[in-house]
Amino acid sequence: RKEVEQDPGPFNVPEGATVAFNCTYSNSASQSFFWYRQDCRKEPKLLMSVYSSGNEDGRFTAQLNRASQYISLLIRDSKLSDSATYLCVVNTNTGNQFYFGTGTSLTVIP
Amino acid sequence: DTAVSQTPKYLVTQMGNDKSIKCEQNLGHDTMYWYKQDSKKFLKIMFSYNNKELIINETVPNRFSPKSPDKAHLNLHINSLELGDSAVYFCASSQGPGTSGQETQYFGPGTRLLVL
Repeated sequence: RKEVEQDPGPFNVPEGATVAFNCTYSNSASQSFFWYRQDCRKEPKLLMSVYSSGNEDGRFTAQLNRASQYISLLIRDSKLSDSATYLCVVNTNTGNQFYFGTGTSLTVIP
Repeated sequence: DTAVSQTPKYLVTQMGNDKSIKCEQNLGHDTMYWYKQDSKKFLKIMFSYNNKELIINETVPNRFSPKSPDKAHLNLHINSLELGDSAVYFCASSQGPGTSGQETQYFGPGTRLLVL
Protein backbone atom coordinates (compact mmCIF):
# COMPACT_ATOMS: atom_id res chain seq x y z
CA ARG A 1 0.00 0.00 0.00
CA LYS A 2 1.31 3.45 -0.89
CA GLU A 3 2.13 5.83 1.94
CA VAL A 4 0.09 8.61 0.35
CA GLU A 5 -2.73 8.20 -2.15
CA GLN A 6 -4.43 10.82 -4.27
CA ASP A 7 -6.94 10.79 -7.09
CA PRO A 8 -4.79 11.72 -10.11
CA GLY A 9 -7.71 13.41 -11.87
CA PRO A 10 -7.63 15.24 -14.18
CA PHE A 11 -10.02 17.78 -12.79
CA ASN A 12 -11.22 20.22 -15.45
CA VAL A 13 -13.25 23.04 -13.95
CA PRO A 14 -14.53 26.39 -15.22
CA GLU A 15 -13.16 29.64 -13.87
CA GLY A 16 -14.87 30.63 -10.65
CA ALA A 17 -15.70 27.07 -9.64
CA THR A 18 -14.92 25.51 -6.29
CA VAL A 19 -12.89 22.32 -6.41
CA ALA A 20 -11.78 19.94 -3.67
CA PHE A 21 -9.01 17.37 -3.57
CA ASN A 22 -8.59 14.61 -1.03
CA CYS A 23 -5.60 12.60 -0.04
CA THR A 24 -5.22 9.63 2.32
CA TYR A 25 -2.14 8.49 4.20
CA SER A 26 -1.36 5.08 5.66
CA ASN A 27 0.98 5.82 8.58
CA SER A 28 -0.99 6.87 11.65
CA ALA A 29 2.25 8.17 13.20
CA SER A 30 2.52 10.88 10.53
CA GLN A 31 3.04 14.28 12.06
CA SER A 32 3.29 16.93 9.36
CA PHE A 33 1.15 17.47 6.31
CA PHE A 34 1.47 19.74 3.33
CA TRP A 35 0.08 20.63 -0.06
CA TYR A 36 2.63 21.41 -2.74
CA ARG A 37 1.94 22.76 -6.20
CA GLN A 38 3.88 21.70 -9.28
CA ASP A 39 3.56 23.52 -12.58
CA CYS A 40 4.42 21.73 -15.81
CA ARG A 41 8.17 21.17 -16.13
CA LYS A 42 8.87 23.00 -12.88
CA GLU A 43 9.82 22.07 -9.37
CA PRO A 44 7.26 21.49 -6.59
CA LYS A 45 6.63 24.51 -4.38
CA LEU A 46 4.94 24.66 -1.00
CA LEU A 47 1.34 25.83 -1.26
CA MET A 48 0.44 25.46 2.39
CA SER A 49 1.07 23.42 5.49
CA VAL A 50 -1.93 21.63 6.96
CA TYR A 51 -2.64 22.05 10.65
CA SER A 52 -4.87 19.96 12.86
CA SER A 53 -7.35 22.76 13.29
CA GLY A 54 -7.54 23.41 9.57
CA ASN A 55 -6.18 26.52 7.97
CA GLU A 56 -7.05 28.98 5.26
CA ASP A 57 -4.93 31.11 2.97
CA GLY A 58 -7.02 33.32 0.75
CA ARG A 59 -9.00 31.10 -1.60
CA PHE A 60 -7.32 27.95 -0.32
CA THR A 61 -8.49 25.92 2.68
CA ALA A 62 -6.70 22.84 3.97
CA GLN A 63 -8.13 20.38 6.47
CA LEU A 64 -6.75 17.38 8.30
CA ASN A 65 -8.77 14.47 9.65
CA ARG A 66 -6.44 12.35 11.76
CA ALA A 67 -9.06 9.78 12.68
CA SER A 68 -9.75 8.96 9.04
CA GLN A 69 -6.19 9.75 7.95
CA TYR A 70 -7.07 12.11 5.17
CA ILE A 71 -6.18 15.62 4.12
CA SER A 72 -8.19 17.88 1.89
CA LEU A 73 -7.59 21.01 -0.13
CA LEU A 74 -10.42 23.29 -1.20
CA ILE A 75 -9.92 25.95 -3.84
CA ARG A 76 -12.64 28.57 -4.15
CA ASP A 77 -13.21 30.91 -7.09
CA SER A 78 -10.74 29.02 -9.32
CA LYS A 79 -8.45 31.11 -11.50
CA LEU A 80 -6.75 30.10 -14.73
CA SER A 81 -3.44 30.42 -12.87
CA ASP A 82 -4.52 27.65 -10.47
CA SER A 83 -3.97 25.10 -13.25
CA ALA A 84 -1.23 22.82 -11.97
CA THR A 85 -0.63 19.49 -10.26
CA TYR A 86 -1.32 19.48 -6.51
CA LEU A 87 0.82 17.15 -4.44
CA CYS A 88 -0.16 15.87 -1.03
CA VAL A 89 2.89 15.41 1.21
CA VAL A 90 3.20 13.67 4.55
CA ASN A 91 6.16 13.67 6.93
CA THR A 92 6.57 11.04 9.64
CA ASN A 93 9.23 13.15 11.40
CA THR A 94 11.26 9.96 11.75
CA GLY A 95 14.42 10.59 9.80
CA ASN A 96 12.57 13.53 8.27
CA GLN A 97 11.17 11.42 5.45
CA PHE A 98 8.65 13.11 3.19
CA TYR A 99 6.18 10.97 1.26
CA PHE A 100 4.59 12.45 -1.84
CA GLY A 101 1.32 11.51 -3.43
CA THR A 102 1.22 11.08 -7.19
CA GLY A 103 -0.48 14.44 -7.53
CA THR A 104 -3.87 15.63 -8.73
CA SER A 105 -3.99 17.48 -12.02
CA LEU A 106 -6.19 20.57 -12.18
CA THR A 107 -7.04 22.53 -15.31
CA VAL A 108 -9.14 25.66 -14.96
CA ILE A 109 -10.96 26.44 -18.19
CA PRO A 110 -11.93 29.95 -19.30
CA ASP B 1 19.27 34.72 -5.21
CA THR B 2 18.58 31.09 -6.06
CA ALA B 3 17.86 29.12 -2.89
CA VAL B 4 18.47 25.63 -4.27
CA SER B 5 20.38 25.31 -7.51
CA GLN B 6 21.18 22.28 -9.63
CA THR B 7 23.49 21.74 -12.55
CA PRO B 8 23.10 20.78 -15.26
CA LYS B 9 19.48 21.56 -16.06
CA TYR B 10 19.47 19.15 -19.00
CA LEU B 11 21.61 16.09 -19.49
CA VAL B 12 21.48 13.87 -22.57
CA THR B 13 23.87 10.95 -22.61
CA GLN B 14 24.43 7.45 -23.92
CA MET B 15 23.76 4.23 -22.07
CA GLY B 16 26.73 3.03 -20.08
CA ASN B 17 28.14 6.48 -19.41
CA ASP B 18 28.87 7.89 -15.94
CA LYS B 19 27.47 11.30 -15.06
CA SER B 20 27.13 13.62 -12.07
CA ILE B 21 24.51 16.12 -11.03
CA LYS B 22 25.38 18.86 -8.55
CA CYS B 23 23.19 20.59 -6.01
CA GLU B 24 23.81 23.55 -3.76
CA GLN B 25 21.61 25.36 -1.26
CA ASN B 26 22.24 28.76 0.29
CA LEU B 27 19.45 28.57 2.88
CA GLY B 28 21.64 27.32 5.71
CA HIS B 29 19.57 24.14 5.91
CA ASP B 30 20.88 21.00 7.55
CA THR B 31 19.10 18.41 5.42
CA MET B 32 19.27 17.78 1.69
CA TYR B 33 17.50 15.26 -0.52
CA TRP B 34 17.51 13.70 -3.95
CA TYR B 35 14.22 12.76 -5.57
CA LYS B 36 13.46 11.06 -8.87
CA GLN B 37 10.33 11.99 -10.82
CA ASP B 38 9.55 9.50 -13.54
CA SER B 39 7.37 9.79 -16.64
CA LYS B 40 4.27 9.10 -14.55
CA LYS B 41 5.14 12.17 -12.46
CA PHE B 42 5.59 10.17 -9.25
CA LEU B 43 8.12 11.88 -6.98
CA LYS B 44 10.15 9.32 -5.07
CA ILE B 45 12.80 9.91 -2.41
CA MET B 46 16.21 8.46 -3.21
CA PHE B 47 18.54 9.81 -0.53
CA SER B 48 18.60 12.23 2.34
CA TYR B 49 21.60 13.72 4.12
CA ASN B 50 21.63 15.61 7.39
CA ASN B 51 24.79 17.56 8.13
CA LYS B 52 26.75 15.53 5.58
CA GLU B 53 25.54 12.22 6.99
CA LEU B 54 23.33 9.81 5.08
CA ILE B 55 20.02 9.34 6.90
CA ILE B 56 17.74 7.96 4.18
CA ASN B 57 18.84 5.52 1.53
CA GLU B 58 15.85 4.09 -0.26
CA THR B 59 16.02 1.05 -2.50
CA VAL B 60 18.10 2.56 -5.23
CA PRO B 61 20.59 0.70 -7.44
CA ASN B 62 24.12 1.06 -6.13
CA ARG B 63 25.02 2.69 -9.45
CA PHE B 64 23.70 5.82 -7.74
CA SER B 65 26.10 7.30 -5.21
CA PRO B 66 25.41 10.53 -3.37
CA LYS B 67 28.18 12.64 -1.93
CA SER B 68 27.90 15.54 0.49
CA PRO B 69 31.20 17.44 0.81
CA ASP B 70 29.52 19.91 3.19
CA LYS B 71 25.99 20.57 4.35
CA ALA B 72 25.34 23.07 1.56
CA HIS B 73 26.14 20.60 -1.22
CA LEU B 74 24.74 17.23 -2.21
CA ASN B 75 25.90 15.70 -5.47
CA LEU B 76 24.63 12.61 -7.23
CA HIS B 77 26.90 10.41 -9.29
CA ILE B 78 25.40 7.78 -11.56
CA ASN B 79 27.49 4.97 -13.03
CA SER B 80 26.67 2.86 -16.07
CA LEU B 81 23.56 4.81 -17.01
CA GLU B 82 20.55 2.79 -18.19
CA LEU B 83 17.52 3.74 -20.26
CA GLY B 84 15.33 3.48 -17.16
CA ASP B 85 17.34 6.19 -15.43
CA SER B 86 15.72 8.77 -17.73
CA ALA B 87 13.71 11.02 -15.45
CA VAL B 88 13.78 14.41 -13.76
CA TYR B 89 15.99 14.49 -10.68
CA PHE B 90 15.15 17.07 -8.04
CA CYS B 91 17.35 18.19 -5.22
CA ALA B 92 15.67 19.66 -2.15
CA SER B 93 16.60 20.99 1.26
CA SER B 94 14.87 21.54 4.58
CA GLN B 95 15.85 22.89 7.97
CA GLY B 96 16.37 19.47 9.50
CA PRO B 97 14.68 16.59 11.27
CA GLY B 98 12.40 17.22 14.17
CA THR B 99 12.97 20.93 14.65
CA SER B 100 9.48 22.31 14.26
CA GLY B 101 7.42 19.42 12.99
CA GLN B 102 6.46 21.50 9.98
CA GLU B 103 9.53 21.23 7.82
CA THR B 104 9.15 22.92 4.46
CA GLN B 105 11.16 21.52 1.60
CA TYR B 106 12.61 23.81 -1.01
CA PHE B 107 13.27 22.24 -4.38
CA GLY B 108 15.84 22.95 -7.03
CA PRO B 109 14.70 23.45 -10.64
CA GLY B 110 15.38 19.82 -11.54
CA THR B 111 17.80 18.06 -13.89
CA ARG B 112 16.17 16.44 -16.89
CA LEU B 113 18.18 13.34 -17.68
CA LEU B 114 17.67 11.50 -20.95
CA VAL B 115 19.59 8.30 -21.55
CA LEU B 116 19.75 7.19 -25.18
